[in-house]
Amino acid sequence: QVQLQESGPGLVKPSQTLSLTCTVSGGSISSGSYYWSWIRQHPGKGLEWIGYIYYSGTTYYNPALKSRVTISVDTSKNQFSLKLSSVTAADTAVYYCARADGGGNYFDYWGQGTLITVSS
Amino acid sequence: EIVLTQSPGTLSLSPGERATLSCRASQSVSSSYLAWYQQKPGQAPRLLFYGASTRATGIPDRFSGSGSGTDFTLTISRLEPEDFAVYYCQQYGTSPLTFGGGTKVEIK
Repeated sequence: QVQLQESGPGLVKPSQTLSLTCTVSGGSISSGSYYWSWIRQHPGKGLEWIGYIYYSGTTYYNPALKSRVTISVDTSKNQFSLKLSSVTAADTAVYYCARADGGGNYFDYWGQGTLITVSS
Repeated sequence: EIVLTQSPGTLSLSPGERATLSCRASQSVSSSYLAWYQQKPGQAPRLLFYGASTRATGIPDRFSGSGSGTDFTLTISRLEPEDFAVYYCQQYGTSPLTFGGGTKVEIK
């Protein structure tokens, strides 16, 4: 059973960079066939795809966030990470990591999510 | 970007009743690349369907998905107490991947 777990600071100051890591267990990131994804949900709102990465390092980002997003992968640790720069209060959200099926890009496994608050 | 509009916003029903949820796309979703998720408070979304009508592992058959092109439907034939939740559709045929705004199914 694949499990994903987000980790990172819950509070980030405005203008700083949000950094999160997702640790994958029960399966290898390097196994191929999947894209490793970040999705966020603003409080009480819907879901927004941020981007994803293939184990080879190929990335795809949402154009709405592309200028501020970097997703990277560390196959030796079975982890992938998100960096979102120049954050504002509008970036306060629950951030989820998830696995996207490579054949279809729907999300079949999700982390529990972590609330990130942007505040001074 | 494909915009997904879900309706109604809230559906108030009793256990045992039938629920019909709609997801309409601003342009055709290629190859019926449409997924449905269920989300309960404080939990991550759970995949219900992909390919518009293919049930994910472990999803009971009282749930069904249908549709193509721009109109998709999620049906719950007889609501169980654990089905009261928020449901989202997602298209993955065109980048960026997008989600609908959700339909809340609440107990009447």
